[in-house]
Amino acid sequence: SQTIHQWPATLVQPVGSPLSLECTVEGTSNPNLYWYRQAAGRGLQLLFYSVGIGQISSEVPQNLSASRPQDRQFILSSKKLLLSDSGFYLCVSTLPPDTQYFGPGTRLTVL
Amino acid sequence: QKEVEQNSGPLSVPEGAIASLNCTYSDRGSQSFFWYRQYSGKSPELIMSIYSNGDKEDGRFTAQLNKASQYVSLLIRDSQPSDSATYLCAVGRSGGYNKLIFGAGTRLAVHP
Repeated sequence: SQTIHQWPATLVQPVGSPLSLECTVEGTSNPNLYWYRQAAGRGLQLLFYSVGIGQISSEVPQNLSASRPQDRQFILSSKKLLLSDSGFYLCVSTLPPDTQYFGPGTRLTVL
Repeated sequence: QKEVEQNSGPLSVPEGAIASLNCTYSDRGSQSFFWYRQYSGKSPELIMSIYSNGDKEDGRFTAQLNKASQYVSLLIRDSQPSDSATYLCAVGRSGGYNKLIFGAGTRLAVHP
């Protein structure tokens, strides 16, 4: 089975500061990887997904970006954080047909 | 119209009762349906998946799918206080890549 690592676990950042969240996957190769965000009291919103190195699809236009420099590494970034970027960020790895593994999440608070 | 809709709750049931959680979705081409349990501050954990019309049972949990009505539900029998959590419904889009659209979740409270 897979293990998803995310760091940091919690982060408090001022508005306008940059962001880098990292996700790494153990126990598999060539997974589909996803970044979801969960705002307080809300469901999970799909932000980005990747089917391979360097392949990123964006689901929601915003000030965030994602990159996949290695097969099992997925990074979420921002040059300037907004208050609305606060939330719980989850990295998810999937294997066909529908097996899913969730990372432990990063709690981001933008002040 | 939201793509996946759930009643936000809270749904309050007594211990030992049946909890019924409902979810509707808008994409008729949806192929896969999932129920997750999420405790506060934690990642969701998969409870059930269902792909075809009808019922699917796993222990105290039963998922029900009706594609014609675009409706999926989760029944929890013999509810326990430890079942108190937010339950998320997720629907897999047609078109592959396992992308999931999540509902906002229903908060369930099981009281002794």
